[in-house]
Amino acid sequence: GAVVSQHPSRVICKSGTSVKIECRSLDFQATTMFWYRQFPKQSLMLMATSNEGSKATYEQGVEKDKFLINHASLTLSTLTVTSAHPEDSSFYICSARGSSGGLSPYEQYFGPGTRLTVT
Amino acid sequence: QKEVEQNSGPLSVPEGAIASLNCTYSDRGSQSFFWYRQYSGKSPELIMSIYSNGDKEDGRFTAQLNKASQYVSLLIRDSQPSDSATYLCAVNSYSGAGSYQLTFGKGTKLSVIP
Repeated sequence: GAVVSQHPSRVICKSGTSVKIECRSLDFQATTMFWYRQFPKQSLMLMATSNEGSKATYEQGVEKDKFLINHASLTLSTLTVTSAHPEDSSFYICSARGSSGGLSPYEQYFGPGTRLTVT
Repeated sequence: QKEVEQNSGPLSVPEGAIASLNCTYSDRGSQSFFWYRQYSGKSPELIMSIYSNGDKEDGRFTAQLNKASQYVSLLIRDSQPSDSATYLCAVNSYSGAGSYQLTFGKGTKLSVIP
């Protein structure tokens, strides 16, 4: 149990375009989902937290108009990088937390990540 | 500012030895503690969670928690080359408005030498 998927795994886009990344919890209901970004050889940086049906809470310094998060259901959250620029190139990872299926409500399970390259 | 401190390493151990990874945290109110393994270019994978003082064993892994000392450790017995990865210590902290989020250490890079 506790499987989280992300799509796409890799994406290359041109500067100025928008990219949508999907995060799904496959075998549990995710009451909370998190979006992280990780640059090479650096630690995870939390971008935002989202609860199903409510607006995401963004960390300080993360532009909410640039990184649009929608947690539309208990199994799906999306991150849209709008007007992407080369400095947005990074490894984007989602994680999910839920209490269905006997899972601990405190544990976070990560998706495989999406590597974004903006040219 | 809630902090989680880890020795960045690299920690090198010979195959078959015990690898010992340590972590300290600043938030005394934290109640949940986790170890994640992250291979290069991959996302973190949860390998251990611990909530009570003492030891918790799962296969070759043992997590140890001492809340009074604000200290968490991970022991890997019979280390294998496939254990070579970065190990992230994570602490669940209250972030306000009824929400909790993980604070991660920067990770310890482990190399198991064949």
